[in-house]
Amino acid sequence: QKEVEQNSGPLSVPEGAIASLNCTYSDRGSQSFFWYRQYSGKSPELIMSIYSNGDKEDGRFTAQLNKASQYVSLLIRDSQPSDSATYLCAVNITSAEAGTALIFGKGTTLSVSS
Amino acid sequence: ETGVTQSPTHLIKTRGQQVTLRCSSQSGHNTVSWYQQALGQGPQFIFQYYREEENGRGNFPPRFSGLQFPNYSSELNVNALELDDSALYLCASSLDEGGVRTYEQYFGPGTRLTVT
Repeated sequence: QKEVEQNSGPLSVPEGAIASLNCTYSDRGSQSFFWYRQYSGKSPELIMSIYSNGDKEDGRFTAQLNKASQYVSLLIRDSQPSDSATYLCAVNITSAEAGTALIFGKGTTLSVSS
Repeated sequence: ETGVTQSPTHLIKTRGQQVTLRCSSQSGHNTVSWYQQALGQGPQFIFQYYREEENGRGNFPPRFSGLQFPNYSSELNVNALELDDSALYLCASSLDEGGVRTYEQYFGPGTRLTVT
């Protein structure tokens, strides 16, 4: 059973701080990794994708990938109240049964206080 | 806006009934995946279609079935509804770039299904 693990939170940070969200995955063959943001009552929105070891920056967001440790993280700099949402880590797997599918963690709820 | 639409937005059904949910994606998005998201959980993969053929399935019973059509629309059918089928149903599409499949998936707004 391929799994993606995240701390459910809530993670609370003050406005302007750095929020750090972590994710581990079980499938060593995974090559594609994604972070989605989901506001309450809405559908997931893709905010970052990462395919190679190291860091990838996009505005206030930085994704970090370490395939040897099977670990993905998302840093949000200068956190804003509008960043308050659930962040879902997703890992692409390939298998005979599932084809190519995204396996999601349960999500980490982030709360940014002003 | 992802260009992925779903209908209906909300639906209430009775246990034992059948339901069809619909999804429409953009031109060139030849891969569509369906997910079930229960409250407080991450989305769970139901199945995936590529160019109108099912090419992957998650751990869901056969009463969950689907179709994909040439006009980038697709549907999810659920027979013999159970109370536990109450969830947000999401479809997501992926782009083919020059015939090469990409793995970034873009979600529609979802259909909230309630089974009573």
